[in-house]
Amino acid sequence: DADVTQTPRNRITKTGKRIMLECSQTKGHDRMYWYRQDPGLGLRLIYYSFDVKDINKGEISDGYSVSRQAQAKFSLSLESAIPNQTALYFCATSDFGQGSNNEQFFGPGTRLTVL
Amino acid sequence: AQSVSQHNHHVILSEAASLELGCNYSYGGTVNLFWYVQYPGQHLQLLLKYFSGDPLVKGIKGFEAEFIKSKFSFNLRKPSVQWSDTAEYFCAVNGNFNKFYFGSGTKLNVKP
Repeated sequence: DADVTQTPRNRITKTGKRIMLECSQTKGHDRMYWYRQDPGLGLRLIYYSFDVKDINKGEISDGYSVSRQAQAKFSLSLESAIPNQTALYFCATSDFGQGSNNEQFFGPGTRLTVL
Repeated sequence: AQSVSQHNHHVILSEAASLELGCNYSYGGTVNLFWYVQYPGQHLQLLLKYFSGDPLVKGIKGFEAEFIKSKFSFNLRKPSVQWSDTAEYFCAVNGNFNKFYFGSGTKLNVKP
């Protein structure tokens, strides 16, 4: 079974619609992240969470919100989707602290198209 | 703010050619450095990482990278590429409070 899962894997929606992308992990990591990937721009951090009560904005948080429902779940919402939010979205987790290796583990991605 | 620069956006090589992908970062403190690979249609996977110790790091599939602190660089190398190495490669830096910064990626096309 995959350690980091994302649902849905593909989604087509219309401008103005609300959409939620979900991420679950079984790695037991405290830290979770949402990125978007655009051609030629690499991965850009949208939001990150270091534990259930700690949520932080990344470099491109405008137009997005997140919810950390539990240690294992971190959801990304687009309140009113717009076409330039069309991208590939990745969730990632990492461990931190003495003995960890700080590596990030990625989910399979969600391809979102906003028409 | 931290940043990561990958100088080569698209590299085309023939099989058995040697590969070197450049990565420079800007951050004055202690950093952890990573190279991730993304095969077509797949998610990112860790290729190798550097935390401390020997600046020459060996990863999976014959890849290695050298951390040169004075140059703020962490270049990825492979002596002889294969067609199966066709992928996009991302350099990443982790410094302040475990935030990760990724480069824009380098697409590698290996011709059989």
